[in-house]
Amino acid sequence: AQSVTQLDSHVSVSEGTPVLLRCNYSSSYSPSLFWYVQHPNKGLQLLLKYTSAATLVKGINGFEAEFKKSETSFHLTKPSAHMSDAAEYFCVVSDPSSGTYKYIFGTGTRLKVLA
Amino acid sequence: AAGVIQSPRHLIKEKRETATLKCYPIPRHDTVYWYQQGPGQDPQFLISFYEKMQSDKGSIPDRFSAQQFSDYHSELNMSSLELGDSALYFCASSPRAGGENTGELFFGEGSRLTVL
Repeated sequence: AQSVTQLDSHVSVSEGTPVLLRCNYSSSYSPSLFWYVQHPNKGLQLLLKYTSAATLVKGINGFEAEFKKSETSFHLTKPSAHMSDAAEYFCVVSDPSSGTYKYIFGTGTRLKVLA
Repeated sequence: AAGVIQSPRHLIKEKRETATLKCYPIPRHDTVYWYQQGPGQDPQFLISFYEKMQSDKGSIPDRFSAQQFSDYHSELNMSSLELGDSALYFCASSPRAGGENTGELFFGEGSRLTVL
């Protein structure tokens, strides 16, 4: 069975400082991993995805994540936080089976950016 | 580029009423997923359809039903509404698994249901 754990429910950083949102997964298959961002009262927007190509994945808005199989991690980072980064972030693992994907969501990390 | 379209965006209902939410996937996407997100919660998977057939079922109450039509749009029907059904309901679509499909879900903006 697949699962995903977001290690922090809330993260606060100062504007201009680095961001680290942690995600660990378990999977019996070669997983696809995603980070989605959700701003208040908005839908989920894909930040980046890992699909067994390069282990360092670059996404939108300066975010990137590194797939580390030995650590079963897919942490999201950004060198310098911006006020507009304040949002909820979800780590998602997908399970390809029966021709369709099963998507397992983490419980989310709320990022707060302080001025 | 075309995105996933959900309607209505906002819906207010009384307890015990019924509600129907609609989802129009991205063209050529044949898989549709429904998620329910309560206040401060992560999205919970309800149900999915592939080629108009139910492909997977999650924590969907018996009071809810859904289907996917020949044009691939989907509708989520909710009856005997309860206060706890108040949530943001997301629809997502993806192209067929395999091939160039990298498994990404494309989400709509959601339909916010408020039950009074």
